[in-house]
Amino acid sequence: AQSVTQLGSHVSVSEGALVLLRCNYSSSVPPYLFWYVQYPNQGLQLLLKYTTGATLVKGINGFEAEFKKSETSFHLTKPSAHMSDAAEYFCAVTERGSYIPTFGRGTSLIVHP
Amino acid sequence: DAGVTQSPTHLIKTRGQQVTLRCSPKSGHDTVSWYQQALGQGPQFIFQYYEEEERQRGNFPDRFSGHQFPNYSSELNVNALLLGDSALYLCASSRPDSQLIDTQYFGPGTRLTVL
Repeated sequence: AQSVTQLGSHVSVSEGALVLLRCNYSSSVPPYLFWYVQYPNQGLQLLLKYTTGATLVKGINGFEAEFKKSETSFHLTKPSAHMSDAAEYFCAVTERGSYIPTFGRGTSLIVHP
Repeated sequence: DAGVTQSPTHLIKTRGQQVTLRCSPKSGHDTVSWYQQALGQGPQFIFQYYEEEERQRGNFPDRFSGHQFPNYSSELNVNALLLGDSALYLCASSRPDSQLIDTQYFGPGTRLTVL
């Protein structure tokens, strides 16, 4: 069965600093991988996805993630944090051949002025 | 163009009661999925409806049931409520040719509290 681990329930950065949110998965074969953002009292919004091809994926709002098969990881990064990036971030995986997603527990990103 | 809408926004029930949550999909979408998001957890897939039938189901008991209407709107019903059913219930809609979650548009959710 697939699973998703997001290291760190909270990540705190200063405005302008690098953002790194970690995601590791376990799956028998390389799955489809996703990052979502959730602002307070809102639903989830897709940031980026990896399905096939280039392993470095660029998303919205300056975020990107790299699929590393050998490390079973899909970490999310952004070079310079903005105050508006403060939100809950979820990593999710879907095994190929299945359309049922598994989400991680989420990481709360806190951005200090 | 209205996105995914859900009602009610908040709901308080007591143990043993039954609850119905409602969802209207985004215009042009006819597939609806439901998720449960407990506090401090990621969303968990409950089930997906297409053409008024349950197409896929996650690991949830039969107390959780649903329905899809001809206008593609959907209801989530939970019977015999338990304290552990307290959560944010998210609805997501998509077009039938894309089942991956990246094509799903999420509503703001219904916050259910079971006392």
